[in-house]
Amino acid sequence: GAGVSQSPRYKVAKRGQDVALRCDPISGHVSLFWYQQALGQGPEFLTYFQNEAQLDKSGLPSDRFFAERPEGSVSTLKIQRTQQEDSAVYLCASSLGGAVSNQPQHFGDGTRLSIL
Amino acid sequence: AQKVTQAQTEISVVEKEDVTLDCVYETRDTTYYLFWYKQPPSGELVFLIRRNSFDEQNEISGRYSWNFQKSTSSFNFTITASQVVDSAVYFCALSEGYGGSQGNLIFGKGTKLSVKP
Repeated sequence: GAGVSQSPRYKVAKRGQDVALRCDPISGHVSLFWYQQALGQGPEFLTYFQNEAQLDKSGLPSDRFFAERPEGSVSTLKIQRTQQEDSAVYLCASSLGGAVSNQPQHFGDGTRLSIL
Repeated sequence: AQKVTQAQTEISVVEKEDVTLDCVYETRDTTYYLFWYKQPPSGELVFLIRRNSFDEQNEISGRYSWNFQKSTSSFNFTITASQVVDSAVYFCALSEGYGGSQGNLIFGKGTKLSVKP
């Protein structure tokens, strides 16, 4: 498709389980961002990739969160030993240039994660 | 510190009314970018506009217009003759320039706009 694709659309997990969320950016987009959006809030930055390099992971809330983009295209956000406070919508965005170009970021529909 | 404030949590208007969504930002950078995004119930964030800190010209796109004023650190968004399809949550966002946060967006909490027929 032409847009950013995220899967699964919904994920329910029990507390303590590991989850993996996938993001397929727009083809050719250099930059990829992950955001976390709690209910009723604006998205908050988690991490940023330029091609396969993770240049900024300052927003990851704990060492249970891990992201990768090994071939500079598809990215996976993994959360280990999930906690209830991890429940949120996880949004992926991509943009054409490097981050400092500040080109518009195009977002996927997000993955709604619910931890029971 | 960088911050975006959208003081209006929810706004309700009747179709064809004009509505303005407020956005106030804080940044120490002299080079920065401001954005507006629309988030309909489906959840996807839809890009509406990007302005850089050196361009204070107001912009109009159809029924949408944006008023950027550096003196008051505001970047307000006006919808003229609102329609039911405009109902969504609207987010204002800030991105700092070179040497800043490498382009990640800092969002406000959003304003939920409901347009009633």
